[in-house]
Amino acid sequence: NAGVTQTPKFQVLKTGQSMTLQCAQDMNHEYMSWYRQDPGMGLRLIHYSVGAGITDQGEVPNGYNVSRSTTEDFPLRLLSAAPSQTSVYFCASSPRTGHTEAFFGQGTRLTVV
Amino acid sequence: GENVEQHPSTLSVQEGDSAVIKCTYSDSASNYFPWYKQELGKGPQLIIDIRSNVGEKKDQRIAVTLNKTAKHFSLHITETQPEDSAVYFCLTGKPGGSYIPTFGRGTSLIVHP
Repeated sequence: NAGVTQTPKFQVLKTGQSMTLQCAQDMNHEYMSWYRQDPGMGLRLIHYSVGAGITDQGEVPNGYNVSRSTTEDFPLRLLSAAPSQTSVYFCASSPRTGHTEAFFGQGTRLTVV
Repeated sequence: GENVEQHPSTLSVQEGDSAVIKCTYSDSASNYFPWYKQELGKGPQLIIDIRSNVGEKKDQRIAVTLNKTAKHFSLHITETQPEDSAVYFCLTGKPGGSYIPTFGRGTSLIVHP
């Protein structure tokens, strides 16, 4: 059972480049979310989705786009990477019933030079 | 919105000692109190959770206690082991609407052999 799968695990980008961080879950969860983790800052919510076709902004959405065309996939797009987006990114999913366990991927370490 | 404060930010103990991490919250409607553990290089993982209809829950060496009147809940780890070294996060959830975990800065627990 794969759970939540994130790709790639590591990525180096040049300032101004674009890329998509992939996230897929095989648990038929309605809720999916993206976080970034910086030293001493905990995990901060970027964007989230409560179902296919529905997305909303979290605490730090600027510079990131998301879409949710299927229940399984929730990609995070960086349109024009900046050094401030150097971080570790985590994707998570949880059942629609809410107030239950959230499952996290292994993370993507992104460096923008 | 909810304001969750977690203390301490860093906790250093000797192997075999007990560790206690405390969280206070502000929203009296909160009724779900999970704890997540994040090991180095991994995503957070749920280790224990409690709902407002109980005051304590145990799972082997870990326990969570809840005081709804005082609006605080605590994670207790007994007989600590080096593998307990990690960052621990407390969260809250409440009924009505989606539950997207919102993390604070966490507690870094270091267990010295």
